[in-house]
Amino acid sequence: SAVISQKPSRDICQRGTSLTIQCQVDSQVTMMFWYRQQPGQSLTLIATANQGSEATYESGFVIDKFPISRPNLTFSTLTVSNMSPEDSSIYLCSVRSGERISGYTFGSGTRLTVV
Amino acid sequence: GDSVTQMEGPVTLSEEAFLTINCTYTATGYPSLFWYVQYPGEGLQLLLKATKADDKGSNKGFEATYRKETTSFHLEKGSVQVSDSAVYFCALSSGAGSYQLTFGKGTKLSVIP
Repeated sequence: SAVISQKPSRDICQRGTSLTIQCQVDSQVTMMFWYRQQPGQSLTLIATANQGSEATYESGFVIDKFPISRPNLTFSTLTVSNMSPEDSSIYLCSVRSGERISGYTFGSGTRLTVV
Repeated sequence: GDSVTQMEGPVTLSEEAFLTINCTYTATGYPSLFWYVQYPGEGLQLLLKATKADDKGSNKGFEATYRKETTSFHLEKGSVQVSDSAVYFCALSSGAGSYQLTFGKGTKLSVIP
């Protein structure tokens, strides 16, 4: 299965600033997903990023707040913009290789604290 | 839409006790089902999966059987260890559209010596 390198692993940011999270995959993958895990909660899908097209956002998430780039089949970034303490969460990227039965691989996550 | 209902925790067990974490789902078509584990301070890891009815996924002593008739995928382990302390997430992928994963709320397991 794919191996994902996600960084930064954690950060403490001032409110009003932005943070860009990077995910690098060791193989080409069709679909890349960005999730948010708020403290003590489950994972919520933010958006699906496909190379060569705009990301598809889930209800409650907008591009201005969470812009995503997917310049090629091995890399993606998620930016958390104009941060507030409510954005304090773990952000994870995930990939699937294109075959449904292969499952999904997750990055190690970015633990974001907004102060 | 798709949904996963998972037994809420926290669950506290003594070492060598039997573990069951219930998971039921609602989905269109024939979803693939997964259990993920999140150890303290770490990311998500796939624990096991099943892709069709009556399949049994197993790994590290954990098992779960895909029961289409009851739309369930309960996680079991016969004898838990302290090292099994983690949060366990049941998830599904319906394959309809974007192939995204839908997660349950997670169950925190603590195993005490």
